[in-house]
Amino acid sequence: AQTVTQSQPEMSVQEAETVTLSCTYDTSENNYYLFWYKQPPSRQMILVIRQEAYKQQNATENRFSVNFQKAAKSFSLKISDSQLGDTAMYFCAFYSNAGNMLTFGGGTRLMVKP
Amino acid sequence: EPEVTQTPSHQVTQMGQEVILRCVPISNHLYFYWYRQILGQKVEFLVSFYNNEISEKSEIFDDQFSVERPDGSNFTLKIRSTKLEDSAMYFCASSDRGNYGYTFGSGTRLTVV
Repeated sequence: AQTVTQSQPEMSVQEAETVTLSCTYDTSENNYYLFWYKQPPSRQMILVIRQEAYKQQNATENRFSVNFQKAAKSFSLKISDSQLGDTAMYFCAFYSNAGNMLTFGGGTRLMVKP
Repeated sequence: EPEVTQTPSHQVTQMGQEVILRCVPISNHLYFYWYRQILGQKVEFLVSFYNNEISEKSEIFDDQFSVERPDGSNFTLKIRSTKLEDSAMYFCASSDRGNYGYTFGSGTRLTVV
């Protein structure tokens, strides 16, 4: 079974600064996909970014980018130029075709301060 | 942008009562899921559904839970005899290919009293 660990329960960052959220995972599979989801106070889960394990290039979506280290089984999220609207819970998630389910980490609560 | 719709947004029920949570997945998606999140805790997988049958289920998804796609558009989660510990946010999700990520609904907050 896959496990996903987010070691930072809470983080804060000043508006306009950069913050990095950590995620590690454990799997015996070679072909899988990793995601970051954002859950604002409205509680809806919103897909932020996706990474395919077979791609070495790190995914980027506007101010959001990842640092994917396959050998270390690490998948961190970097948010640049943080905005107040980035305040939310952030969940790292793992998917493999073998399992057909997303497995989530415990989440990191991010507070962006003005 | 297509959405996954969940109703109701909040439901309060007496312990022991049956509840049905409803979801309308995105129309061309083939895979459907239910997750739950106890307040402040991690998001837990309950069940996945494909081709009109359950494809995966977790240990949480015991005999009191069932899912159904009654009419080709709705996807429901039934809890037969609710317990206090069933109080949680329940999320429905759908995908056309799971490895592209899921689209989640906005959730149903279930409170069992």
